[in-house]
Amino acid sequence: GAVVSQHPSWVICKSGTSVKIECRSLDFQATTMFWYRQFPKQSLMLMATSNEGSKATYEQGVEKDKFLINHASLTLSTLTVTSAHPEDSSFYICSAQRAEGNTIYFGEGSWLTVV
Amino acid sequence: SQQGEEDPQALSIQEGENATMNCSYKTSINNLQWYRQNSGRGLVHLILIRSNEREKHSGRLRVTLDTSKKSSSLLITASRAADTASYFCATVQVDYKLSFGAGTTVTVRA
Repeated sequence: GAVVSQHPSWVICKSGTSVKIECRSLDFQATTMFWYRQFPKQSLMLMATSNEGSKATYEQGVEKDKFLINHASLTLSTLTVTSAHPEDSSFYICSAQRAEGNTIYFGEGSWLTVV
Repeated sequence: SQQGEEDPQALSIQEGENATMNCSYKTSINNLQWYRQNSGRGLVHLILIRSNEREKHSGRLRVTLDTSKKSSSLLITASRAADTASYFCATVQVDYKLSFGAGTTVTVRA
């Protein structure tokens, strides 16, 4: 089946630094990728929608300068958390929408801890 | 924004029993999907039901959809310890954006 890979699975960084999380569709082309954030024991909150070759569309309340999204190819989207603070610590999950059929596949998520 | 609400928030059952959880939503949908999430992991797609469908089965899973009440239910029959997880409903409107409910945490006791 289709696979979406996220890297890294977990990362610890210092306050003030930036962290990049990658989301790759391994065996299909993804027209659209979605980035979610999930706090412990809570639901997934959509942060932004990214389309290959164009600017990401951010949900209300999500700072685009804080969470930089780049969708450079049909198989790769990256989320960069800039100037990270402890409150940015969370589980970040991406999903990729397959070009044919529009099925959506989720990555395994990335745990970010900012100390 | 989060559209769905699920109940119960948590459910504890004995192995072999059935587990039922419900999802309500607020606006018209294209389809509704159910996902499972094991602790600290990504989401696994379970089943999709379209707005013109009323019931769908997949193995031990049964999903119903009542668009007039804007609600859906997920039934897991003959539960197993491996079914222990959080279950989320997600509605799809336009642009294929998924809007997730709060989730139901299911614990199956051996």
